[in-house]
Amino acid sequence: EVQLVESGGGLVQPGGSLRLSCVVSGFTVSNNYMSWVRQAPGKGLEWVSVIYSAHSGGSTYYADSVKGRFTISRDNPKNTVYLQMNSLRVEDTAVYYCANIGPRGMDFDLWGQGTVVTVSS
Amino acid sequence: IVLTQSPGTLSLSPGEGATLSCRASQSVSSTYLAWYQQKPGQAPRLLIYGASSRAAGIPDRFSGSGSGTDFTLTISRLEPEDFAVYYCQRYDGSSLFTFGPGTKVDIK
Repeated sequence: EVQLVESGGGLVQPGGSLRLSCVVSGFTVSNNYMSWVRQAPGKGLEWVSVIYSAHSGGSTYYADSVKGRFTISRDNPKNTVYLQMNSLRVEDTAVYYCANIGPRGMDFDLWGQGTVVTVSS
Repeated sequence: IVLTQSPGTLSLSPGEGATLSCRASQSVSSTYLAWYQQKPGQAPRLLIYGASSRAAGIPDRFSGSGSGTDFTLTISRLEPEDFAVYYCQRYDGSSLFTFGPGTKVDIK
C-alpha cells in the first residue's frame, strides 16, 4: 500500500527551526519527484519545494517565499523526504503536505495527511 | 503567471451541474494544467491532469477542458460527496508550480 506519512510539526517561535519528515511506503523516493505543499489556516494551497529523482540529478527548487530558509532533502535508505525550515516566520504557519509528483512531472498524484506547523511567540 | 478561479463560491443543489473556471494571466500549455478536490480536514486529491485527463479512480462526471488561458472543470451532476473546494494548478515547465485560489462548491 502506498502511504506518505508526515511528522515533525509543532509550535515554534519566530526565528526558530523545525525539520519535517515524510516517510514513504509503497514506492522508492529516490526514483520519484517529491514535493512539499503548504496551506495556511483558511487559505489555499501553496507549493513550497521539489526534489527531483536521483536519475534526474536530484535538483532542488523552492518557492520565492521560502528560498534561502528552507531545504528539501531525502534519505534513501530510510525512504524519507525532509523539509528543514529555518528562520521561521509567523506567515509560515500552515499545514505542510508531502506529495509525490506523478509520472507526467507536473501534477501531485499522491499526498500525505499533513503536519501542522505553528509559528508564534 | 497568475491563476484566477471563478466564481469564488458556487452554491448548487445535488443533481445540478457545476462549471468552474480557471484563467491564467498568460498562456499555459494544456499539458501542464491540473485540477484538485479538497474536502475539510483532508489532503487534496488529483482529479484532472493535462487539462482533460481524469486521474485514476475519478468518476466520469468530472471532466476538464480548455486551452491557452481559459480552462474549465465541469461536474455533470453533483453528488453529495462533491461539495468541496476545487483548485487548479499549473507547472511552468521549469520546476515551479502554482495553484489557483480555489472555488468552493457548497450546498444551496
